[in-house]
Amino acid sequence: AQSVTQLGSHVSVSEGALVLLRCNYSSSVPPYLFWYVQYPNQGLQLLLKYTSAATLVKGINGFEAEFKKSETSFHLTKPSAHMSDAAEYFCAVSEPGGGNKLTFGTGTQLKVEL
Amino acid sequence: ETGVTQTPRHLVMGMTNKKSLKCEQHLGHNAMYWYKQSAKKPLELMFVYSLEERVENNSVPSRFSPECPNSSHLFLHLHTLQPEDSALYLCASSQRDRGTEAFFGQGTRLTVV
Repeated sequence: AQSVTQLGSHVSVSEGALVLLRCNYSSSVPPYLFWYVQYPNQGLQLLLKYTSAATLVKGINGFEAEFKKSETSFHLTKPSAHMSDAAEYFCAVSEPGGGNKLTFGTGTQLKVEL
Repeated sequence: ETGVTQTPRHLVMGMTNKKSLKCEQHLGHNAMYWYKQSAKKPLELMFVYSLEERVENNSVPSRFSPECPNSSHLFLHLHTLQPEDSALYLCASSQRDRGTEAFFGQGTRLTVV
């Protein structure tokens, strides 16, 4: 079974500082990986995805993530945090077979301070 | 309308009530999903419909009953729920091919009293 671990349920950064949200996965097959963002009382919105093309993936709102097979990681970064980035972020892995089921991590709440 | 639309956005129901959650997608997708999001727990996949057939039921209690009448609509019928069923219920759709992204609705915030 696939699984996703997000280290740090809460991350706090200053506005303008680097954002780093960690995601490690386990997968018995080449993984497909996703980062989603959720604002309060909203659904999940796709930030970016990795599907075995380039290992450095660029997404919306200035976010990017790097797939590192040797470390089984897919960490999310943004060079300069903005107040509007405050939200909850979820890493997910796509299960093999049986359609396109996603297994999610427990999420990381990002707080951006002035 | 575009995307994935869920109604109602908020629902309060008693333990003896029967209610239904509705999801509609306008993206031409052929797979639809129900997820449950509870506080401090990972999103839990409840049901998967692929080409209008249920292909997954993750040990969900029978008080939750899904229905997928066509590729654009998904319902979750609720009856005799428990307070611990209070959560945000999210509908999603995607193409059934592995690796394609899922698009989520805004969710229904359910409170069981």
